[in-house]
Amino acid sequence: DGGITQSPKYLFRKEGQNVTLSCEQNLNHDAMYWYRQDPGQGLRLIYYSQIVNDFQKGDIAEGYSVSREKKESFPLTVTSAQKNPTAFYLCASSLAGPQFFGPGTRLTVL
Amino acid sequence: AQSVTQLGSHVSVSEGALVLLRCNYSSSVPPYLFWYVQYPNQGLQLLLKYTSAATLVKGINGFEAEFKKSETSFHLTKPSAHMSDAAEYFCAVSDGTRVNNDMRFGAGTRLTVKP
Repeated sequence: DGGITQSPKYLFRKEGQNVTLSCEQNLNHDAMYWYRQDPGQGLRLIYYSQIVNDFQKGDIAEGYSVSREKKESFPLTVTSAQKNPTAFYLCASSLAGPQFFGPGTRLTVL
Repeated sequence: AQSVTQLGSHVSVSEGALVLLRCNYSSSVPPYLFWYVQYPNQGLQLLLKYTSAATLVKGINGFEAEFKKSETSFHLTKPSAHMSDAAEYFCAVSDGTRVNNDMRFGAGTRLTVKP
């Protein structure tokens, strides 16, 4: 089955720790995206990547980092510099036109 | 720059009633428009898309949307609501190019279906 997988589904972090969220796709899509979702605020773009070894900041990149070493993978690291990281994180990919989403990772800072 | 506005953060309908979720867009180029649905603690699922072909677009689960350029609208409708339609719905716009596929989402509309 083709699709996008995210892991873990739930993640708990202590303040001051970095954590990495995984996103993998087997759709052969060139572009991949990370969004943050907070209640009542819709989706906000963190980073996106159009090709391997290249990525661009979105609207709220501060406190986050990404890499794109393989076409299939686009991991997101939430660093200790992100002051309010508790949120639902969604990964997406596209070839052209619509984006297709993974199931999401809910991150909670304890 | 592109943007979308969804009118009404919450909509409540009775089972069997018409569903109407409103979306207005702003775009400096011919837009590509999308509706997505999100069930609790899940990702977004594409319902339908408009890509400059027919202005009335049919999607999954009995939903459809009509592109009206004069009104800059792309409202989502379903003739008869079902309990399983309760979810959050997002309208989105992009310029559709492969080079700059920068999709913008509305804030979402939560649909409640009453028995």
